[in-house]
Amino acid sequence: EVQLVESGGGLVQPGGSLRLSCAASGFTFSSYAMSWVRQAPGKGLEWVSCIDKGAGTYYADSVKGRFTISRDNSKNTVFLQMSSLRAEDTAVYYCAKDLTTVSTGWFDSWGQGTLVTVSS
Amino acid sequence: DIQMTQSPSSVSASVGDRVIITCRASQDIGKWVAWYQQKPGKAPNLLIYSASSLQGGVPSRFSGSGSGTDFTLTISSLQSEDFATYHCQHANSFPLTFGGGTKVEIK
Repeated sequence: EVQLVESGGGLVQPGGSLRLSCAASGFTFSSYAMSWVRQAPGKGLEWVSCIDKGAGTYYADSVKGRFTISRDNSKNTVFLQMSSLRAEDTAVYYCAKDLTTVSTGWFDSWGQGTLVTVSS
Repeated sequence: DIQMTQSPSSVSASVGDRVIITCRASQDIGKWVAWYQQKPGKAPNLLIYSASSLQGGVPSRFSGSGSGTDFTLTISSLQSEDFATYHCQHANSFPLTFGGGTKVEIK
C-alpha cells in the first residue's frame, strides 16, 4: 500500500524558513516524480513544485527563487525547503505521487498534509 | 501559464441527480486533464485522468469527457458519499494548475 507521510509544518514568522519532508513507502520511490501541492484555508488547490525521477525540478511562479525541492532516494523522502516565507504561503502542504513512472503530472496518491502558518 | 476556469463554483443537488461540472482551459491542452474529489479535512482523490480515463476503484457513475479547451465531469446518479468538492487540473505543461473547485452540496 502506498503511504506518504508529511512532516515539518508549523508556525513561522514572515521572512523565516521551514523544511518539509515527505516519507514514502509501498512503491519504488526512485521511479516516480513527486510533487508538492498546497491549499490555503478555505481555498482551492495550488501546485507548488515537482521533482522528476531524474531530479529535474519545476516550480510555480509564486515560489520560484524561494522554495527548493529535493529528493533522497536512499531514504525514500522528498523535501521542500521554504525560505523568505510570506503570509500568503500559509496553507496545508500535501506531497503527491505521480500516476505512472512516465511523469504525467497527475497524482494518484497524496499524503495527509502538513499545515504551515506564516504569522508574526 | 494555462488557466483552468471551473464552473459552477457550487451546485445543490439531490441523491439520484445527474451532476455536470465543466472546466475550460485558456489554451488547447489536448486531453491533459484530471479530476479530483476532495472531502473536508482530507486529501484529494484522483477520479479521472487523461480527460476520460477512470482511475482504478472509482465508481462507474463518474465519467469525464472533452478535449482541447472544454472538459466535463459527470456524476450520473449522485450518491450520498459524493457530496464533496471537485477540482480539475491540467498537466499539459509546467506550471500545473487547478480549477477553482466546485462544491457539490445537498439540496
